[in-house]
Amino acid sequence: DAKTTQPPSMDCAEGRAANLPCNHSTISGNEYVYWYRQIHSQGPQYIIHGLKNNETNEMASLIITEDRKSSTLILPHATLRDTAVYYCIVRSYGSSNTGKLIFGQGTTLQVKP
Amino acid sequence: ETGVTQSPTHLIKTRGQQVTLRCSSQSGHNTVSWYQQALGQGPQFIFQYYREEENGRGNFPPRFSGLQFPNYSSELNVNALELDDSALYLCASSLGQSSLYEQYFGPGTRLTVT
Repeated sequence: DAKTTQPPSMDCAEGRAANLPCNHSTISGNEYVYWYRQIHSQGPQYIIHGLKNNETNEMASLIITEDRKSSTLILPHATLRDTAVYYCIVRSYGSSNTGKLIFGQGTTLQVKP
Repeated sequence: ETGVTQSPTHLIKTRGQQVTLRCSSQSGHNTVSWYQQALGQGPQFIFQYYREEENGRGNFPPRFSGLQFPNYSSELNVNALELDDSALYLCASSLGQSSLYEQYFGPGTRLTVT
């Protein structure tokens, strides 16, 4: 699976949009971009995933560049409860692939009042 | 519907001892994966069990072993504990073994080896 690069930390004001970048310049055609987050002392939580089109769900939006070498996770109105470590993971998708997740260091997002 | 549960929450062991950690998968899930998370690091994949068989293993020595039971719950066993085994151990369950299925994580077991 391709390697990802994320900034180690970011701050965001409560109520504002949080934009978390991820670089995955070696991504291949059959690899998806996944985002998980881990709130302190809890297990990781799935947020969203996508291949090449932008995706949105009740938690967040995922914007993937046209060349697929980078992406941005957007939390539209960050709250204090969104303070967590956010992991960007590139993962092959298909029935023949094992489900293991390869986590990097992630980005620690601190939402401030 | 209950989520993934793990026991115990915390555990302290001495170097050289053996430990067993337990995981109950989410209802309907037949696959369990185990991860080790050292302080300040992302989780590292240990192995995955699908229908009671090991299905993929990360870069962990044989003293890390596991079991999955007919009800799909699972155990992680670590023999000859070392200080570096101190970590948060996470269990995740999913509907199937492949990446088609999302993984749902439990809260973890914090293991301290002294």
